[in-house]
Amino acid sequence: NAGVMQNPRHLVRRRGQEARLRCSPMKGHSHVYWYRQLPEEGLKFMVYLQKENIIDESGMPKERFSAEFPKEGPSILRIQQVVRGDSAAYFCASSPWATENTEAFFGQGTRLTVV
Amino acid sequence: AQKVTQAQTEISVVEKEDVTLDCVYETRDTTYYLFWYKQPPSGELVFLIRRNSFDEQNEISGRYSWNFQKSTSSFNFTITASQVVDSAVYFCALRIPGTASKLTFGTGTRLQVTL
Repeated sequence: NAGVMQNPRHLVRRRGQEARLRCSPMKGHSHVYWYRQLPEEGLKFMVYLQKENIIDESGMPKERFSAEFPKEGPSILRIQQVVRGDSAAYFCASSPWATENTEAFFGQGTRLTVV
Repeated sequence: AQKVTQAQTEISVVEKEDVTLDCVYETRDTTYYLFWYKQPPSGELVFLIRRNSFDEQNEISGRYSWNFQKSTSSFNFTITASQVVDSAVYFCALRIPGTASKLTFGTGTRLQVTL
């Protein structure tokens, strides 16, 4: 049973380009969470999605960021018109259901560098 | 609002020394869950432990032990006889009911174990 798969592992974008980060949850998991880790900081929650629904996007910047988790395929975190401040590690986690005593399993992260 | 504080930014020890990583949390909820994750230099997040607020028993797993004290809102992590492979950033995190698997992370403690 493969773990949470994120790709690419490393992504370099020029300012103004779009970044698309992919997350395939563990088999049987229908809940996905995205976190951002700025350099030398802890992880900050961005968004929580269930298949085809955004449940909680309280941590998402209001502009340029969007996320989806379609019925088929991976979850996508999209950052439009990237700026230097978007450089960070983006982690995806998945869980089989939405209860507090469930562990969320993390992927290896995508390290985005904006040049 | 929830908050997790890891006051120790960086700790350096010599192999075989014991080391304790501090974690202090804030929440108004009486039910909550506490976690520790390890982030080795390779970057992935490795789950170490989950503890719910009703279980104040300390836990030991090999060289790792956790001391949960509700009276001081602390969930400290001790590594006994540290090894070089323990070198990593360690994150403490909190989850409260109604937020599914959304985690609030501390800023992490970087542990460096040298020979």
